[in-house]
Amino acid sequence: QSALTQPASVSGSPGQSITISCTGTNSDYNLVSWFQQHPGKAPKLVIYEVTQRPSGVSSRFSGSRSGNTASLTISGLQAEDEADYHCCSYQGNNQVIFGGGTQLTVL
Amino acid sequence: QVQLQQWGAGLLKPSETLALTCAVYGGSFSGHYWSWIRQPPGKGLEWIGEINYRGATNYNPSLKSRATISIDTSTNQFSLHLNSVTAADTAVYFCARSLLLTAYITWGQGTLATVSS
Repeated sequence: QSALTQPASVSGSPGQSITISCTGTNSDYNLVSWFQQHPGKAPKLVIYEVTQRPSGVSSRFSGSRSGNTASLTISGLQAEDEADYHCCSYQGNNQVIFGGGTQLTVL
Repeated sequence: QVQLQQWGAGLLKPSETLALTCAVYGGSFSGHYWSWIRQPPGKGLEWIGEINYRGATNYNPSLKSRATISIDTSTNQFSLHLNSVTAADTAVYFCARSLLLTAYITWGQGTLATVSS
């Protein structure tokens, strides 16, 4: 299966909001997750089930979906948010796919 | 708090078998799926497959049956074997625990596996 489609990079200034898109998710299932990954580190779950935040994740992170495109929005951008972000979707038939990843730069 | 610690051989020659193990600390196997995910240098994540506490498995079809995931509930460990490796299998391999499908909440530290002749 082909990877989900994400923009290669996005950027924003501190305090602004940014949105990262992820196209190709299966709208039959509410099983879309987002991960934050700093260089040399393991990914960290920031959104699951399209809109849910795990305990301990800042409320500045939010998820949504329209059709087969999921989105991650980070509001009140902070320097520590600079990282790679990966989306992940359940496609049915016991198959999981990831996006290619998006590099977020905080200007 | 559940923690995962993984280990395995880091340098392999083409056609050899990659073997990695992940130990689970601070929790039990039941009620979760246990997965392997990899990341080639400079690229995105790729799901390899998963296993539950009963031993039921699912795999990424792109690996063409080269991957085998197993579980040992007596030692709280699960393993990945990937046979007939090529340079394209060079990646950082992560083990992970999921709350539910795609929600990988706990990750191992990652292991770099390099395939080179």
